[in-house]
Amino acid sequence: DIQMTQSPSSLSASVGDRVTITCRASQGISNYLAWYQQKPGKVPKLLIYAASTLQSGVPSRFSGSGSGTDFTLTISSLQPEDVATYYCQKYNSAPNTFGQGTKLEIK
Amino acid sequence: QVQLVQSGAEVKKPGASVKVSCKASGYTFTSYYMHWVRQAPGQGLEWMGIINPTGGSISYAQKFQGRVTMTRDTSTSTVYMELSSLRSEDTAVYYCARGIAVANTPLGYWGQGTLVTVSS
Repeated sequence: DIQMTQSPSSLSASVGDRVTITCRASQGISNYLAWYQQKPGKVPKLLIYAASTLQSGVPSRFSGSGSGTDFTLTISSLQPEDVATYYCQKYNSAPNTFGQGTKLEIK
Repeated sequence: QVQLVQSGAEVKKPGASVKVSCKASGYTFTSYYMHWVRQAPGQGLEWMGIINPTGGSISYAQKFQGRVTMTRDTSTSTVYMELSSLRSEDTAVYYCARGIAVANTPLGYWGQGTLVTVSS
């Protein structure tokens, strides 16, 4: 099975900072990569799919890029409400493995 | 609007089985695959499997093979996830989730989650 590895596992940044989270697949998955945001005590929310397509209603400060094995999620200007854990997930074929998550906090 | 409503919390003893339901509404039930995802306390998301409500074809994560059964009832637009031989490590919130489009697609709609606690 393809493994999904995120880095870092956690990070702390200041409001207004540019934040980047990376996700690496152990084999190529084309652009079948999604990003989710999960706030404490809440259900996960889809942010980005097809590596770079913003889900409807998601703020434009979120963006995604990558193809093949290496992907990034970028928040262009961190806001207090972005405190959450972020997960990547492959969906080219089952199993639709998640990355281990990146916990984002405000400095 | 799409709604996925799951059954209530469960407390089970080690070795028992649990069956969680997920009732769908607001769309054509047979057109979209349904996934099950779990999250242990303080841990990440873990994909468990996928079921095609039309033909009933299923794929399970290898970790759960032999212990998990996913089924569907098209007459009530409900999918079920049964996990057997429960152990303490199975204590988690279990989610059903639907893709944003037909076939295997990202999870844009989620149930509210069902907490399953395994304790003697």
